[in-house]
Amino acid sequence: AQSVTQLDSHVSVSEGTPVLLRCNYSSSYSPSLFWYVQHPNKGLQLLLKYTSAATLVKGINGFEAEFKKSETSFHLTKPSAHMSDAAEYFCVVSSGGYQKVTFGTGTKLQVIP
Amino acid sequence: GAVVSQHPSRVICKSGTSVKIECRSLDFQATTMFWYRQFPKQSLMLMATSNEGSKATYEQGVEKDKFLINHASLTLSTLTVTSAHPEDSSFYICSVRGGGGAGGNEQFFGPGTRLTVL
Repeated sequence: AQSVTQLDSHVSVSEGTPVLLRCNYSSSYSPSLFWYVQHPNKGLQLLLKYTSAATLVKGINGFEAEFKKSETSFHLTKPSAHMSDAAEYFCVVSSGGYQKVTFGTGTKLQVIP
Repeated sequence: GAVVSQHPSRVICKSGTSVKIECRSLDFQATTMFWYRQFPKQSLMLMATSNEGSKATYEQGVEKDKFLINHASLTLSTLTVTSAHPEDSSFYICSVRGGGGAGGNEQFFGPGTRLTVL
């Protein structure tokens, strides 16, 4: 069994300030973890992924996430928010032999000018 | 990564009609494809997993006779919403799963199809 919890449904930051989007997971197996971004009425774009290599993962557009097994977390961060970062962000876990995917409920990021 | 397309991007239909949505993997042979549904302001919900050469596996609560999935080839899967009703209006997204190696188990998503049933 697996699950993923995104702790904040909405996050609001000022442009130029750091971004933190929180994600906790549970899995009976060694998981792969992903962050996807979805702009309004668009499909999903992969930001970054963790697949049992380096625990600090760097993605596109300046985003990064750290896999912390002891905390079962995979929080997404960015040092400085840009207006174009405003979107919905999904944390995703995949594990088990069948690699079934489970989506978090999403976090809507608002960037204030 | 794999490039996935969906057609159509938007469709409006009358209640009671059937709608077919195509999902194509343009540069990758996908033995497994997934279909998701996303209601407004909600997360993606997996509807079914389709494996080339075998029947689709549907998630609990998804009517297989209403949402027909055909994984016709390694590059094409179709989702047919039969006898559509307004409550079927949603954003339907397909994905293909990488086959390992550099792609790992990452999923590559199509751009989605917005279905509106009047």
